[in-house]
Amino acid sequence: AQRVTQPEKLLSVFKGAPVELKCNYSYSGSPELFWYVQYSRQRLQLLLRHISRESIKGFTADLNKGETSFHLKKPFAQEEDSAMYYCALSKRNQGGKLIFGQGTELSVKP
Amino acid sequence: DAGVIQSPRHEVTEMGQEVTLRCKPISGHDYLFWYRQTMMRGLELLIYFNNNVPIDDSGMPEDRFSAKMPNASFSTLKIQPSEPRDSAVYFCASSFSGSLVPYFGAGTRLSVL
Repeated sequence: AQRVTQPEKLLSVFKGAPVELKCNYSYSGSPELFWYVQYSRQRLQLLLRHISRESIKGFTADLNKGETSFHLKKPFAQEEDSAMYYCALSKRNQGGKLIFGQGTELSVKP
Repeated sequence: DAGVIQSPRHEVTEMGQEVTLRCKPISGHDYLFWYRQTMMRGLELLIYFNNNVPIDDSGMPEDRFSAKMPNASFSTLKIQPSEPRDSAVYFCASSFSGSLVPYFGAGTRLSVL
């Protein structure tokens, strides 16, 4: 069965510190992996997609198939990064149907 | 494009009442998804459509929930009768088969008293 695990419910860092939000997945095929961000009570917004290999708002994520991980990283956290972050997995033949992790709340303190 | 549009944004109702949530997907998108977000269970897929046809409704909690997509630009999620445990934020999302990236609406926050 497909599963996405985000082991940390809450991650608290100080402004300027590096951030790593962990995501591990289980899937036997070749998944599509995403990171979505949800600012307070707003819609989920696409942050990153693994195949695009972009850096958005300073965040990057690398797919490690050996470790089945897709950790989200940023070298210097900003207060405006405080939000809920969801890692999600999609199967290629299901139109973008997403399986979400439980989410990690990032709190960046001044 | 205005993105995925959901209405209402907030709904407060009493137990036993019928609730209808509405979604307008992004024009040209051929997939539509309904998700539910709760503190206890996180984000769960309820049902999704491809070209207006329901493909997978295994996430629909029980017979009280039903979803329709009468045309490419409109979908509804209905709960009848509603119960307090249905209180959640319901998100609609749409995607295009050429990119497979789901875009989310702002959600409907449902409170059943």
